[in-house]
Amino acid sequence: EVQLVESGGGLVQLGGSLRLSCTASGFTFSDHYMEWVRQAPGKGLEWLGRSRNKANSYSIEYAASVKGRCTISRDDSKNSLYLNLNSLKIEDTAVYYCASATVGDRSAFDFWGLGTMVTVSS
Amino acid sequence: QAGLTQPPSVSKDLRQTATLTCTGNSDNVGSKGAAWLQQHQGHPPKLLSYRNNTRPSGISERFSASRSGNTASLTITGLQPEDEADYYCSTWDSSLSAVVFGGGTKLTVL
Repeated sequence: EVQLVESGGGLVQLGGSLRLSCTASGFTFSDHYMEWVRQAPGKGLEWLGRSRNKANSYSIEYAASVKGRCTISRDDSKNSLYLNLNSLKIEDTAVYYCASATVGDRSAFDFWGLGTMVTVSS
Repeated sequence: QAGLTQPPSVSKDLRQTATLTCTGNSDNVGSKGAAWLQQHQGHPPKLLSYRNNTRPSGISERFSASRSGNTASLTITGLQPEDEADYYCSTWDSSLSAVVFGGGTKLTVL
């Protein structure tokens, strides 16, 4: 059974930083593009970025909205994906999901974690 | 960043058919098509369809996707109460080098 479990959320200070982790199981992690997506309260889905798979040299793409503040990394030996976000703003308050992209369509995300809530407070 | 355009809400009667739309441009939907996700309140999204109407295992045949030009569509037949949810489209945008989502459509089953 595929499982993605995010951790690291909570209450963080305005201007501070966060590090989220996503631990995967039940599939060959190194074969998959891995994604971070967030959802602000009552709002839609926002893609933050991705780590491509080993075959694509683990290259990273970021959304323009977080580029420069965001670092995505992965450790295939731990089946883990990470998100670092700094200079936090109130509008970074959201549920943060990790997801895996299908092999057939890299913009389709077939497995999702339950998400971890991040609240940025002043 | 520019996203895909979805109507904010659609209401249909039980057992009827709903068609949800997702409009982009030639850099995204027009060249890549779209994936569709369903999200119930308080739950993560679930993939319904991708790449030319491919449904993941366990997804009902009542969900079917199509594309015409720069607009992708998700058709849900025989609406059931459990179909009431938010629906999102997503695709790759080659000009942005980014995955883009639609704003979501809230489907109400009357």
